[in-house]
Amino acid sequence: GAVVSQHPSWVICKSGTSVKIECRSLDFQATTMFWYRQFPKQSLMLMATSNEGSKATYEQGVEKDKFLINHASLTLSTLTVTSAHPEDSSFYICSARDQRDVIEKLFFGSGTQLSVL
Amino acid sequence: GESVGLHLPTLSVQEGDNSIINCAYSNSASDYFIWYKQESGKGPQFIIDIRSNMDKRQGQRVTVLLNKTVKHLSLQIAATQPGDSAVYFCAEGISGSARQLTFGSGTQLTVLP
Repeated sequence: GAVVSQHPSWVICKSGTSVKIECRSLDFQATTMFWYRQFPKQSLMLMATSNEGSKATYEQGVEKDKFLINHASLTLSTLTVTSAHPEDSSFYICSARDQRDVIEKLFFGSGTQLSVL
Repeated sequence: GESVGLHLPTLSVQEGDNSIINCAYSNSASDYFIWYKQESGKGPQFIIDIRSNMDKRQGQRVTVLLNKTVKHLSLQIAATQPGDSAVYFCAEGISGSARQLTFGSGTQLTVLP
């Protein structure tokens, strides 16, 4: 099956710093990727839809200046958590859909555990 | 839609027994359904999918049943093993739609020795 690579797997940073998370589709091209946030024992919470070559679409309540998304190529989307604070600590997951598929199957990255001190 | 802020329902089964995980979906227009498995600290993994023109589909040790009348989806795992312990999510979507999948709230499956 298709592989989505997400890096880093975990990151610890100081409050006020910025953290970049990468999501790559390794063997397919993805015009659309999705970013989620997940708290312990809870479901996936969609943050934004990343569109190649255009601006991301953010879900209600998600600050676009806080969570910067760039989708510069058909295989890479990045999420940058700017000026991170302890409340931003969470598990972040990306997913991608093979643009050749007519169905909605999503392939997920392995997730990034962010801890802000 | 997504169940933000809800804690996961749980299901405990004895090793070797069969597991049944249920999911109710909301959109009658959805014609494509997927089950994902998420182990602790990892991203969701695809298990099995089914289109609305089917009511049953089998994989290796897993079976998905779809009841469109009551908008209900279930995942059956045969001879449950310790490695099956994880959170299971169902997702619904519409073929050819630009909309992303809508995820259920998930079920925590624990396999007891």
